[in-house]
Amino acid sequence: KAGVTQTPRYLIKTRGQQVTLSCSPISGHRSVSWYQQTPGQGLQFLFEYFSETQRNKGNFPGRFSGRQFSNSRSEMNVSTLELGDSALYLCASSLERPGETQYFGPGTRLLVL
Amino acid sequence: GENVEQHPSTLSVQEGDSAVIKCTYSDSASNYFPWYKQELGKRPQLIIDIRSNVGEKKDQRIAVTLNKTAKHFSLHITETQPEDSAVYFCAATSYGGSQGNLIFGKGTKLSVKP
Repeated sequence: KAGVTQTPRYLIKTRGQQVTLSCSPISGHRSVSWYQQTPGQGLQFLFEYFSETQRNKGNFPGRFSGRQFSNSRSEMNVSTLELGDSALYLCASSLERPGETQYFGPGTRLLVL
Repeated sequence: GENVEQHPSTLSVQEGDSAVIKCTYSDSASNYFPWYKQELGKRPQLIIDIRSNVGEKKDQRIAVTLNKTAKHFSLHITETQPEDSAVYFCAATSYGGSQGNLIFGKGTKLSVKP
């Protein structure tokens, strides 16, 4: 099976802009989780989607949002970008629950100038 | 909510030595504990995991031990090799629940010197 894929791999944006990142899970996986990875904070949970519904949410401001489509592909959106949003954004997929084995995508590296 | 502490943050060993990374968790309901390895510029990859119904699990040079009473679990790498150099993350969650999500430790940077 193909692994988890993410697009784009790299992005450069300026403060105030908005960005949309995409994640395609492993075929048959219905749960998609998103994480923000920064050197200082490690891997922080953003949210998790299952069956087109947000099932879990981490402690991030409302500028961070996401959605999931009927084919389990997921997108996350960050509006009004801030310098501190510069990070590696990783998505991970699992069969049905976030507590099952999660497989990570390669990530999207976002730089906000 | 769950909180996972990981130590040490950096670890340097000589090739052939053993390496041990320790994590503690706070939520007694957590029952699934995976370990991920992340090489520079690459995605985190699952290397081993353990569920709370067992105390130890081995896979070749890698082993994980779990002490539910003390709420801590450890990763043991024996006969380390330079290719083991990476950042290792532990995580904890409640397997089987729809509300659980992986909570990660802050990572341990392991350097194996030839």
